[in-house]
Amino acid sequence: AQSVTQLGSHVSVSEGALVLLRCNYSSSVPPYLFWYVQYPNQGLQLLLKYTSAATLVKGINGFEAEFKKSETSFHLTKPSAHMSDAAEYFCAVSSSNTGKLIFGQGTTLQVKP
Amino acid sequence: DTAVSQTPKYLVTQMGNDKSIKCEQNLGHDTMYWYKQDSKKFLKIMFSYNNKELIINETVPNRFSPKSPDKAHLNLHINSLELGDSAVYFCASSPNDAYEQYFGPGTRLTVT
Repeated sequence: AQSVTQLGSHVSVSEGALVLLRCNYSSSVPPYLFWYVQYPNQGLQLLLKYTSAATLVKGINGFEAEFKKSETSFHLTKPSAHMSDAAEYFCAVSSSNTGKLIFGQGTTLQVKP
Repeated sequence: DTAVSQTPKYLVTQMGNDKSIKCEQNLGHDTMYWYKQDSKKFLKIMFSYNNKELIINETVPNRFSPKSPDKAHLNLHINSLELGDSAVYFCASSPNDAYEQYFGPGTRLTVT
């Protein structure tokens, strides 16, 4: 069975500071990993994806994530936070045979001026 | 042009009623999904259809019935609504040759 754990339900950073959102996964097959962002009262928007190509994945809005098999992690980073980054972030894992996404519990990112 | 659209955006109804939520995607994708997001923002898959065929049916009460008239549409019908059905329901779609999913704006269902 696959699962995702996001460490920290709430992360607060100052504007301009490094953003680090943690995600660990469990999968018995090679995983496909995703980060989604949800702004208030909106749907989920795909930030980036890992599908067994390069382990360092670049996404939209300056975000990137690194797949580390040895640590079963897929942490999301952004060098400099912007006020508009405040949102809910979800890490998700998918298997090729079903396509369904298993989501982590989400991390709320707060950006302070 | 909205890629994945849902109607209605808000739905307030009383216990025991029957309601439907509609989803349409104009991306040409073969697979569509329904997810439920509870009050703690936890997202869980409910159903998945591939080219009008049901392929995922998670542990969901029989009161929930998806219907796919064509591969661009996946509707969700809910019978005998209960308080616990209050949530945000998201529709999503994905192409066969990729694994990412594209989500609609959500339908906030409130059962009183």
